[in-house]
Amino acid sequence: QKEVEQNSGPLSVPEGAIASLNCTYSDRGSQSFFWYRQYSGKSPELIMFIYSNGDKEDGRFTAQLNKASQYVSLLIRDSQPSDSATYLCAVTLSGYQKVTFGTGTKLQVIP
Amino acid sequence: DTGVSQDPRHKITKRGQNVTFRCDPISEHNRLYWYRQTLGQGPEFLTYFQNEAQLEKSRLLSDRFSAERPKGSFSTLEIQRTEQGDSAMYLCASRWTGDTEAFFGQGTRLTVV
Repeated sequence: QKEVEQNSGPLSVPEGAIASLNCTYSDRGSQSFFWYRQYSGKSPELIMFIYSNGDKEDGRFTAQLNKASQYVSLLIRDSQPSDSATYLCAVTLSGYQKVTFGTGTKLQVIP
Repeated sequence: DTGVSQDPRHKITKRGQNVTFRCDPISEHNRLYWYRQTLGQGPEFLTYFQNEAQLEKSRLLSDRFSAERPKGSFSTLEIQRTEQGDSAMYLCASRWTGDTEAFFGQGTRLTVV
């Protein structure tokens, strides 16, 4: 079982819709959860981070964490073509300081 | 520019040659990471430093790879006797103590021909 799992996609949504990206992780002691966006040929850039169960909102983005289910998600409201990118879920595992990434979900927002 | 800086941005080398990459982290960050990313995959952890100490190294990393951070500031990643399978984007990231986000440099794209 991979430490961090994501559906590779592509996930296609129409412009203006809500895009829902999901991630599961294997270590119950995981403490910190991050969503990065990566455009083709570019390095990852942080969008959101979340530490506690529940929702965290920042503009059009909402991160949701459910530690009991070992599940973290990212919602993008009013999706724009400029949101088309690969979204990487990352986790800091318990007892370690390395940041482990999933394989990423490719999002396509169709105008 | 106070972000993470990597040099060079691109490197083309012949198989069997040695290459060295440099990473300058954000100045106040004590943790520095090296990742490798191939097309369609997420960043794969290679190694991690806290200050000058190399605290973890991936089992996937062969003995052809070595990394240093001699003064706890910049870091170098060396690949000896490069192979075509080493072709990838090599990413450096840094972060401060605690559960803070990691900031990435622009990466070094290595092509082994």
